[in-house]
Amino acid sequence: GAVVSQHPSRVICKSGTSVKIECRSLDFQATTMFWYRQFPKQSLMLMATSNEGSKATYEQGVEKDKFLINHASLTLSTLTVTSAHPEDSSFYICSAKGGVNEQFFGPGTRLTVL
Amino acid sequence: GESVGLHLPTLSVQEGDNSIINCAYSNSASDYFIWYKQESGKGPQFIIDIRSNMDKRQGQRVTVLLNKTVKHLSLQIAATQPGDSAVYFCAESPSGGSYIPTFGRGTSLIVHP
Repeated sequence: GAVVSQHPSRVICKSGTSVKIECRSLDFQATTMFWYRQFPKQSLMLMATSNEGSKATYEQGVEKDKFLINHASLTLSTLTVTSAHPEDSSFYICSAKGGVNEQFFGPGTRLTVL
Repeated sequence: GESVGLHLPTLSVQEGDNSIINCAYSNSASDYFIWYKQESGKGPQFIIDIRSNMDKRQGQRVTVLLNKTVKHLSLQIAATQPGDSAVYFCAESPSGGSYIPTFGRGTSLIVHP
């Protein structure tokens, strides 16, 4: 099946710094990618829908200036957590839309903000 | 929008038993449903899907049942194995082709050898 990668897999940073997470579709082109956030023992919560060449669509309650999304090519979307704080510590997962109802998930990025 | 719960119930079974994981969805406009398996520290993996014009679909060792009357979805795993231990999520997507699935409450499946 289609492969989606994320980089880095784990990141630890100091409070106030910014962190960039990359999501790549390795063997297919994805005009649409999704970013999710998952707290321990909880479900995946959709943060935003990233469309190549246009602005991301953010879910209600997600700060677009805090979580910057860029989808500059058909195989790469990036999520930048700006001025990260401990409450931003979470598991961030991206997915890429393949066919009509296909969605392929990345392995996730564990962010820890000290 | 309509939401799904955030609690994480646990199902413990013995190896070889059949497992049934349940999910209640709330959006009556949903017409496409997916089950995902998520192992610790990894992203979700697709298991099986079903459209609202069906009430049952079978895969390898897995069966999904859909009851639209009561908005209930279940995943049956036959002859459960230790490798099936994971968190299982149902996801629903509304009609209209936008396909932005909403994840439901996960269930942690623990298989004892």
